[in-house]
Amino acid sequence: AQSVSQHNHHVILSEAASLELGCNYSYGGTVNLFWYVQYPGQHLQLLLKYFSGDPLVKGIKGFEAEFIKSKFSFNLRKPSVQWSDTAEYFCAVNAGSWGKLQFGAGTQVVVTP
Amino acid sequence: EPEVTQTPSHQVTQMGQEVILRCVPISNHLYFYWYRQILGQKVEFLVSFYNNEISEKSEIFDDQFSVERPDGSNFTLKIRSTKLEDSAMYFCASSQSGGSNQPQHFGDGTRLSIL
Repeated sequence: AQSVSQHNHHVILSEAASLELGCNYSYGGTVNLFWYVQYPGQHLQLLLKYFSGDPLVKGIKGFEAEFIKSKFSFNLRKPSVQWSDTAEYFCAVNAGSWGKLQFGAGTQVVVTP
Repeated sequence: EPEVTQTPSHQVTQMGQEVILRCVPISNHLYFYWYRQILGQKVEFLVSFYNNEISEKSEIFDDQFSVERPDGSNFTLKIRSTKLEDSAMYFCASSQSGGSNQPQHFGDGTRLSIL
């Protein structure tokens, strides 16, 4: 069955630490990949997306993600997190279906001062 | 930055009652979506809508659900006879154009509680 998996449900780290959140998907063929973030009390916001070209994509707020086709992965990274990065992060995939996003379960990230 | 707005933020309804969740998509967007997230579960796609028609719907979107764009600004989700298992956070989203690579912009959600 088609699915999107996020490896960690809950991550706690200190400010200035590096962050990497895993995302794997199980779709064949062309995929379009997204990372969304939901800050406490706010709506889902797009961090970055990949649909073609350079597999290393840069998004807002210093985030980047790397698409590795052979591993069916789209991991999110940030070299040095801040307290304001505390949020829930969602990986999402659109596998050619018109407009339908499939979401991962989300990873709650808590950054401590 | 333009936003998708949803009302109400919280709706409490008795089982069996009809409920209408409202959304105002971003004004120049043409494609609209509803998703839901049951507590502790993934965000799930319900339906996509374009040009006054449903483009795609999931197996969750059964005959109890309907969507409508009653005027030029609102996009509504109606649940005809609510069940306990309809309790969830419902998110509206919109995109400027269609296509699988288009980012969707989400509202804050409506928390629906069925008693």
